[in-house]
Amino acid sequence: NAGVTQTPKFQVLKTGQSMTLQCAQDMNHNSMYWYRQDPGMGLRLIYYSASEGTTDKGEVPNGYNVSRLNKREFSLRLESAAPSQTSVYFCASSEGREGYTFGSGTRLTVV
Amino acid sequence: SQKIEQNSEALNIQEGKTATLTCNYTNYSPAYLQWYRQDPGRGPVFLLLIRENEKEKRKERLKVTFDTTLKQSLFHITASQPADSATYLCAPNGGSARQLTFGSGTQLTVLP
Repeated sequence: NAGVTQTPKFQVLKTGQSMTLQCAQDMNHNSMYWYRQDPGMGLRLIYYSASEGTTDKGEVPNGYNVSRLNKREFSLRLESAAPSQTSVYFCASSEGREGYTFGSGTRLTVV
Repeated sequence: SQKIEQNSEALNIQEGKTATLTCNYTNYSPAYLQWYRQDPGRGPVFLLLIRENEKEKRKERLKVTFDTTLKQSLFHITASQPADSATYLCAPNGGSARQLTFGSGTQLTVLP
């Protein structure tokens, strides 16, 4: 099925552990994004990539790094997880001014 | 700072009525605004895009208006159905042309 695929769907980490969230899209979109969603705060942009080979910080980049591996894949890395990073993470892609296509999310808990 | 406010966190209406959701933004001059639907445990799904030079946009039972003077967008669902129950997010573009900033959403419940 065409769309955005995120892995894993669920993850529990201990404080200080690291992990990488994977995202891949098969719609040939140039732009990709990572958001986090917390209750009452809406979706907040962590990082985005306007095209292959470029990445830029969003609203809440601290504690995260990203890699645009190729046009299809955009990964998000937590180097040293903290409880404040407990959230639902969404990857999205888009082309031009079209609507974003979101993945189904990764539910991350840091204990 | 840029801010987006969506009316009341929750809205309950009776089946068959028109639901009206409000999105107000400040310190923005968006070239366009998008609306999304989000169901529990799922990612947002794109519904409609309206540009700054468009006053109104329709898609089936959905209608969106965009008033750049009031800095407001209204989202209407006519003849609402229980299946329309979801959280609706507004997202004006801001910063670079490829960025959206999302409101926290309005949870709509359509009662049978």
